[in-house]
Amino acid sequence: DAGVTQSPTHLIKTRGQHVTLRCSPISGHKSVSWYQQVLGQGPQFIFQYYEKEERGRGNFPDRFSARQFPNYSSELNVNALLLGDSALYLCASSLVIQQAAFNQPQHFGDGTRLSIL
Amino acid sequence: DAKTTQPNSMESNEEEPVHLPCNHSTISGTDYIHWYRQLPSQGPEYVIHGLTSNVNNRMASLAIAEDRKSSTLILHRATLRDAAVYYCILRNYGQNFVFGPGTRLSVLP
Repeated sequence: DAGVTQSPTHLIKTRGQHVTLRCSPISGHKSVSWYQQVLGQGPQFIFQYYEKEERGRGNFPDRFSARQFPNYSSELNVNALLLGDSALYLCASSLVIQQAAFNQPQHFGDGTRLSIL
Repeated sequence: DAKTTQPNSMESNEEEPVHLPCNHSTISGTDYIHWYRQLPSQGPEYVIHGLTSNVNNRMASLAIAEDRKSSTLILHRATLRDAAVYYCILRNYGQNFVFGPGTRLSVLP
């Protein structure tokens, strides 16, 4: 079975632009979470979606938004890009809503490397 | 969110056991202990998790102290492919994953 897939793998943007990152969860997984990983640090939680609804949000500005589609795939959107948005963006999926499945593992994709010039 | 403390880095020789410690002195009775690892240029990978009892799977063993204030991830025979950053995370109902900086494990041939 395919794991979590993310696209694109690499992306270069300039300050002020907008970006959309995509994630396809493992088949059967209904919960998708997004993380930002700056070089040298652990991943930081951005959003969690379950059944197309936002179920959790980390400490990120409103420039960050996301949505989940009926097929459970997800998009992360970032507006007005800043140099500090340069990072690896990770998507993770799990079988059920994260908050109700705190004893269940998450499965991560290999991320999208976003560079802002 | 409960906090964990891990050493910044550790070294091991290939084919020797590795014990990766994690302190979580403020753990609550319903916090699960999760371990993930991140190989270079990859996303984090689930390793193991447990609540109170020691746990074993094909990748590793998790030893949990009786008072649950610390735990140890055990790799029985380290290989070069085990070189990664290892994260110890506590999770409870309603909480999201909170990753710390983890322990960078180097495996020497």
